[in-house]
Amino acid sequence: GENVEQHPSTLSVQEGDSAVIKCTYSDSASNYFPWYKQELGKRPQLIIDIRSNVGEKKDQRIAVTLNKTAKHFSLHITETQPEDSAVYFCAASVRPAGGGNKLTFGTGTQLKVEL
Amino acid sequence: GAVVSQHPSRVICKSGTSVKIECRSLDFQATTMFWYRQFPKKSLMLMATSNEGSKATYEQGVEKDKFLINHASLTLSTLTVTSAHPEDSSFYICSALSLGLSSTDTQYFGPGTRLTVL
Repeated sequence: GENVEQHPSTLSVQEGDSAVIKCTYSDSASNYFPWYKQELGKRPQLIIDIRSNVGEKKDQRIAVTLNKTAKHFSLHITETQPEDSAVYFCAASVRPAGGGNKLTFGTGTQLKVEL
Repeated sequence: GAVVSQHPSRVICKSGTSVKIECRSLDFQATTMFWYRQFPKKSLMLMATSNEGSKATYEQGVEKDKFLINHASLTLSTLTVTSAHPEDSSFYICSALSLGLSSTDTQYFGPGTRLTVL
């Protein structure tokens, strides 16, 4: 089955700096890669996702890059703000023809943005 | 849009009792829902995939007789923890799959249920 590794486990940055979180996956058939943000005791919230037919996707301060050959993808947050502090999870899945993808999550990264 | 609710948000029960958790997709139909378990400061571990009108598919190591899943309608899936024990204490989160365009299948998560077994 799919195995997703995520690094680093904790990340501390100064407000305004950029933060980068990296994930690798094992199953070359995986074709959907979402990123979720989870605040303490809350539900995971989808912040951005990318499909295997795209190499990069950007949404305001958040961007995701995908390298299919190397089987890794990264989350980039620019101009970080204190409210970006949370745990971020990457995930990977294969979408079969009939739909119903099953996500395999990374281990999470605790991001702390310091004033 | 794409709101998922979960009830109850928090439950405390005695060892040996059963607890039912409901997961509802409020503004969309979900033929597929997922149940996850999350320990403190850990990742989400998939327990089972719930398919409307059919039996759930359980992940390896998850006891199907202990964690009963029913997906009787396109908007409701339930997880029943039977004969709960303290080691079952955890944060249980459901998600519902929103089938969009061919290029988008997004899982929307419920707010989670904190189960404490005394």
